[in-house]
Amino acid sequence: EVQLVESGGGLVQPGGSLRLSCAASGFTFSSYWMSWVRQAPGKGLEWVANIKQDGSEKYYVDSVKGRFTISRDNAKNSLYLQMNSLRAEDTAVYYCARPRGGSYDYWGQGTLVTVSS
Amino acid sequence: EIVLTQSPGTLSLSPGERATLSCRASQSVSSSYLAWYQQKPGQAPRLLIYGASSRATGIPDRFSGSGSGTDFTLTISRLEPEDFAVYYCQQYGSSPETFGQGTKLEIK
Repeated sequence: EVQLVESGGGLVQPGGSLRLSCAASGFTFSSYWMSWVRQAPGKGLEWVANIKQDGSEKYYVDSVKGRFTISRDNAKNSLYLQMNSLRAEDTAVYYCARPRGGSYDYWGQGTLVTVSS
Repeated sequence: EIVLTQSPGTLSLSPGERATLSCRASQSVSSSYLAWYQQKPGQAPRLLIYGASSRATGIPDRFSGSGSGTDFTLTISRLEPEDFAVYYCQQYGSSPETFGQGTKLEIK
């Protein structure tokens, strides 16, 4: 059974940093691109970043470029999102998701990041 | 960036009725790379349709997707109580991939 379990969310002050993790199981993690998708409270979905199987290609939505870094450790079946210089507008539930030809067939349960003073 | 506009914003129907949800793109979606998701409160989204018209694994056949170019439709043929949720479309044919703002399907 495919499972994606996020962790690392919490309350952080504006300008602060946070590192999210996603533990993957039930599939060959190293064979898949992986993504982070977020959802602000009461709002819709927004793709944040994705990373190629070997980590050689990474892409970001414009609003997080230069502040967020996606990475992975295939030996640990884990995906990460390092978030720096956090802003109030980064407040959201962050989902780890597995792309299937571009759509997402598996999602984690999400981890809430709240940026507030 | 391709902007996806979903309509209506809220759809009020009764169980057993037919639901038709629309997703319109600001530019043509290449190769019909369009997906539909269902999301219930407190839950992650669930993939329903990919490639505009292919049902994902385990999705009942009352869900169907159609369309191409800039106009896409999700149809639920006979609403079951568990179908009342928010539905999102996503295009993944152009970078950045984008989502619509959602349609809330509520019980009338």
